[in-house]
Formats: sequence, C-alpha cells, structure tokens
Amino acid sequence: NAGVTQTPKFRILKIGQSMTLQCAQDMNHNYMYWYRQDPGMGLKLIYYSVGAGITDKGEVPNGYNVSRSTTEDFPLRLELAAPSQTSVYFCASSYEGGSLEQYFGPGTRLTVT
Amino acid sequence: GENVEQHPSTLSVQEGDSAVIKCTYSDSASNYFPWYKQELGKGPQLIIDIRSNVGEKKDQRIAVTLNKTAKHFSLHITETQPEDSAVYFCAASGGNNAGNMLTFGGGTRLMVKP
Repeated sequence: NAGVTQTPKFRILKIGQSMTLQCAQDMNHNYMYWYRQDPGMGLKLIYYSVGAGITDKGEVPNGYNVSRSTTEDFPLRLELAAPSQTSVYFCASSYEGGSLEQYFGPGTRLTVT
Repeated sequence: GENVEQHPSTLSVQEGDSAVIKCTYSDSASNYFPWYKQELGKGPQLIIDIRSNVGEKKDQRIAVTLNKTAKHFSLHITETQPEDSAVYFCAASGGNNAGNMLTFGGGTRLMVKP
C-alpha cells in the first residue's frame, strides 16, 4: 500500500493564481482531512470529509474548496492565492470506526509571492 | 470548540535522560488523546494514544498519562536517543465530533544531544 500520497511536493504561486493540491489514499478509509501547518505552529484543520460526496468546514476554511467524488481522492482547491496561504499542507485519512489513528501524507510546501 | 495548549515549545535533553511534554485541553467531552511525532520534511506519525477510560498507557520507552479532572495529559520518553529528536504534537478529539476531528497543540521541538 502507498498509504496517503500528495502532489505536488513543492509549488510557488503568484498572488491571484489558483491551483489544486491532490491527495489520494489506498486504504479504503472513509474519513479524509486537509490541514495546514504554518512555521513553528501546530496543524489547523481546513476541511474534512466523512465519505464520498460529503464534505464540511474545519477551523480555517476561508480561501479553500474541496470535493470528494470518490473514496480515494480528496483534492483541495485554492482560488485567488494570497500570501497568507503560504504554508505546508497535509492530507490525512482514517477509518470510520475502531482505531482513530490519522495517517498523514508527506505534505505539499506552498509559497505564494 | 476545543482548545489544546502544549508546553514547552522547545526541549533539549542529554541522551539517556527523560523528556516530558505536557498538554491541557478545554473540552471536558474530549475522550481521545493521541501523540504524533513529526520528523523533518515528513508528515506526522502516531506514536501513542490514550482514551479517557484509561489513566496511563506505556509502549516501551514511551508513556502517556491522562488526568481527566485537571484536563491535562503528558508524554513521557525515557532513555532518550538521538533518533527521538523531532517535533511532537498532542491532540484531542471526542464529544459531538463527527469525522473524528483532532485539535492539535502547537508542538514541541525535542532535541536529544549525544
């Protein structure tokens, strides 16, 4: 199993540009999450999904959108990128029941200039 | 919503010494408390977790304690080794929490000096 994969690893955007961060998992997890991690800080939840077709806002959703058309994929869309969105973005997934462990991808480092 | 505070933000110990990291949480309904280790350039990885019906849990050199009354929990690492150097995050989850969302602390950078 590849676990949770994220692409790209790095990206530089100009202010006002848009992009999609890709996330996929091959563990058949129902739950998926997007976090951002600012330098020296903890992780803050942007959006989450409890299954295909179901998404909901986390703590810091402004400026982002998500979709979940399949169990495996959970892309994060940035519209009109701003310098405040410079961060490292992590995708994670977990089982619906039993173990509550979240499995994280390797992250995408995004710089907006 | 839940608020998790973590101390200290940095911790430097000598190899072989013990390290303790402490977290407090605000929501008394929280019932799941994991600890994640993040190595440089990687995503966080679960190292140990505890549920609210247990006061302490051990796994080799790592232990976690939970005090529900005081709403705090701690990570204890004994006989530290250089490979323990990383950033550690505590988190809390539970209550009316669809999706098993976690609220993370701010992290502790642990440095183990050989």
